[in-house]
Amino acid sequence: KQEVTQIPAALSVPEGENLVLNCSFTDSAIYNLQWFRQDPGKGLTSLLLIQSSQREQTSGRLNASLDKSSGRSTLYIAASQPGDSATYLCAVRRETSGSRLTFGEGTQLTVNP
Amino acid sequence: NAGVTQTPKFRILKIGQSMTLQCTQDMNHNYMYWYRQDPGMGLKLIYYSVGAGITDKGEVPNGYNVSRSTTEDFPLRLELAAPSQTSVYFCASSYSVWGSTEAFFGQGTRLTVV
Repeated sequence: KQEVTQIPAALSVPEGENLVLNCSFTDSAIYNLQWFRQDPGKGLTSLLLIQSSQREQTSGRLNASLDKSSGRSTLYIAASQPGDSATYLCAVRRETSGSRLTFGEGTQLTVNP
Repeated sequence: NAGVTQTPKFRILKIGQSMTLQCTQDMNHNYMYWYRQDPGMGLKLIYYSVGAGITDKGEVPNGYNVSRSTTEDFPLRLELAAPSQTSVYFCASSYSVWGSTEAFFGQGTRLTVV
């Protein structure tokens, strides 16, 4: 059974700092990995999708890497801003049929002005 | 660009009542999913569907039922509501084609069972 773990569970940083969020998964047979952002009381917004054959994806100040063999992904946020405060979730999609997403429990990020 | 639309946004149910959470998507995605999210936790898969007429159980299906009569709609049915079903419910959809499997989520339905 695939298990996804995100560390740390919560993170508080001053504005302008570069930071890294970690995601690990137990079964390396994944199809892809997706990072989401969730604001309080809101739905999930997709940030980045990395296919299993890719090493990283970038969007603006966000960079996500994937090391499938070691079961790890990181989300790098450059020059953090208060508007980045949210919960960040990673999810992996299985290689087998059904294409289901398994989620980690998220990292709650607070960026202080 | 509607994407994935869920209704209602909020609902309070009494124990033993039933209700249907509605989900519709306009992106012609073949895959659809229902997740629940309890406070401070990640999302747990309830049911999913790989196409019209096909559904399957996820991690936590007990107390729920689904149907998928069309590509667009994937309603979730609670037959006998219990306090343990108090949660936020998210519907999602995606393609199954390589390179186009990004999942899109609705805004959620916050359900309280009292």
